[in-house]
Amino acid sequence: SQQGEEDPQALSIQEGENATMNCSYKTSINNLQWYRQNSGRGLVHLILIRSNEREKHSGRLRVTLDTSKKSSSLLITASRAADTASYFCATDAAANSKLTFGKGITLSVRP
Amino acid sequence: DVKVTQSSRYLVKRTGEKVFLECVQDMDHENMFWYRQDPGLGLRLIYFSYDVKMKEKGDIPEGYSVSREKKERFSLILESASTNQTSMYLCASGQASSYNSPLHFGNGTRLTVT
Repeated sequence: SQQGEEDPQALSIQEGENATMNCSYKTSINNLQWYRQNSGRGLVHLILIRSNEREKHSGRLRVTLDTSKKSSSLLITASRAADTASYFCATDAAANSKLTFGKGITLSVRP
Repeated sequence: DVKVTQSSRYLVKRTGEKVFLECVQDMDHENMFWYRQDPGLGLRLIYFSYDVKMKEKGDIPEGYSVSREKKERFSLILESASTNQTSMYLCASGQASSYNSPLHFGNGTRLTVT
């Protein structure tokens, strides 16, 4: 069953702009993670936010979590062409600790 | 750096063949996972293991089995490959509890069953 759903499915922006990607989920979670996947490669972990946290930063990445709305957003500031990739949110359901991934967002950053 | 190594990047097999996908991690992680990734469907969990000789079914285990004889190695087995098992297969490992740590992925094996 799909726990996390990302939005939008695809996003195209100009280099230097900010990219905002959203994730909604259905059941209570322990944490929410964001991953990145370059074409033809495995996923790389970006950031983890726990259910008792509201915001977290890592370099140009900013993640927020709203447990009342069961949603999270990933903001990439000052985007670069190298940020072009697919981005996935993954949730660890409180009931069983299995990590479940969404379908992903394809981000294209035009130089 | 954690390294998760999948034995093959590309595999082409015939329908009915027995297929082994191998995954090795070098960070002494307790947890190992097999996912398949298909366009429009995202990542779906096939099987996972929290310890040696231990396995649990994920969301789509039908047609697959796994083996974990050593902590560092987790094998995915397609007993009789079918064309609907053509997919990208991703192995991942993580520390004891997934909600305490991120997963580390291999680069994937793209399997084509003809």
